[in-house]
Amino acid sequence: AQSVTQPDIHITVSEGASLELRCNYSYGATPYLFWYVQSPGQGLQLLLKYFSGDTLVQGIKGFEAEFKRSQSSFNLRKPSVHWSDAAEYFCAIWGYQKVTFGTGTKLQVIP
Amino acid sequence: EPEVTQTPSHQVTQMGQEVILRCVPISNHLYFYWYRQILGQKVEFLVSFYNNEISEKSEIFDDQFSVERPDGSNFTLKIRSTKLEDSAMYFCASSEKRAAPPERSEQYFGPGTRLTVT
Repeated sequence: AQSVTQPDIHITVSEGASLELRCNYSYGATPYLFWYVQSPGQGLQLLLKYFSGDTLVQGIKGFEAEFKRSQSSFNLRKPSVHWSDAAEYFCAIWGYQKVTFGTGTKLQVIP
Repeated sequence: EPEVTQTPSHQVTQMGQEVILRCVPISNHLYFYWYRQILGQKVEFLVSFYNNEISEKSEIFDDQFSVERPDGSNFTLKIRSTKLEDSAMYFCASSEKRAAPPERSEQYFGPGTRLTVT
């Protein structure tokens, strides 16, 4: 069965600082990976996805993620965080006809 | 851009009552899913549905739950006798295909229905 681990439950960064959210996965075949963002009380918004090809994928809102097969990782990055990025971020993997989510990382942005 | 819609956005019900959550998937999609997220926890898979039958379900999806595609556009989740622990955000999703090519099996999520059981 597939699984996703997000080791950081809560991260605080200063506005304008860079951000990296960690995600590790376990899956027996080629993974299809996603990052979603969820603002308080809101639904899930897809930030970016990786299916194949270039291992550095660009998403919306200035986010990018890099797939590293050797490390089973799919970390999310942003060079300069904005206060509006404060939200919860979920890494997810598609496999066996369902999406499995990580436990999420809550991002706090301080002025 | 087409999107998955869900109604209502928030449903409050009393314990023991039946509740139906509604979803309108993207029109050319054939595979449908329900997920739930208990407050403060991760999103969990409940069930997948194709060709008018359940194709996969998790251990959470017990006899209290049922899904239906009553017409050509709606996809519903029914909870027969709600419990306090059913309080959660319920997400519907749909995809065009189930498997390869992966671009067409991507699941599109609705905005969710927040269910509160009192």
